[in-house]
Amino acid sequence: AQSVTQLDSQVPVFEEAPVELRCNYSSSVSVYLFWYVQYPNQGLQLLLKYLSGSTLVKGINGFEAEFNKSQTSFHLRKPSVHISDTAEYFCAVTPDNYGQNFVFGPGTRLSVLP
Amino acid sequence: DAGVTQSPTHLIKTRGQQVTLRCSPKSGHDTVSWYQQALGQGPQFIFQYYEEEERQRGNFPDRFSGHQFPNYSSELNVNALLLGDSALYLCASSFGLAGLGETQYFGPGTRLLVL
Repeated sequence: AQSVTQLDSQVPVFEEAPVELRCNYSSSVSVYLFWYVQYPNQGLQLLLKYLSGSTLVKGINGFEAEFNKSQTSFHLRKPSVHISDTAEYFCAVTPDNYGQNFVFGPGTRLSVLP
Repeated sequence: DAGVTQSPTHLIKTRGQQVTLRCSPKSGHDTVSWYQQALGQGPQFIFQYYEEEERQRGNFPDRFSGHQFPNYSSELNVNALLLGDSALYLCASSFGLAGLGETQYFGPGTRLLVL
């Protein structure tokens, strides 16, 4: 079974400052990793995903994440945040074989302050 | 190009009742997954439908059942509702089985309140 930990439930940051949202996972098999964003009263939108290859993955809205297999981490970063980045961010994993489902973390609430 | 649509947007039921939620996948998608998102938590996988069959199931009781139609749309049924079933129910669609790296696209959700 897989599990996902997002240690920071809330992250406040000032506008134009950098931010890192942490994600660690546990799995006995290789996994694919995803970051989703959820704006208020909306569904989830994919920011980026890691399947294979380069461990640095670039996504939409200026976000990027780095896969670290030895530390079982997939932290999300953005060099300069905007007010519009205020949302809930979810890390998710799924084993890289057929027949498995997505496991989501509990989420991190990013609040960008003016 | 319409994305994933869900109906209704909100629903209020009482304990013991039954509810049906509906989902239309994104155009070109053939797989539908359902998730339950309790307040302040991440989504939890309920089940996934592909080729009109339930392919995977999460840790949910048999009170939760589903169906996929030939046009790939799907229904989630919950019987004997409990207060703890109050949540946002999300539908996600993909082309091919999610779990092979395929991106899932999520609908806006149906917010269910059980009184």
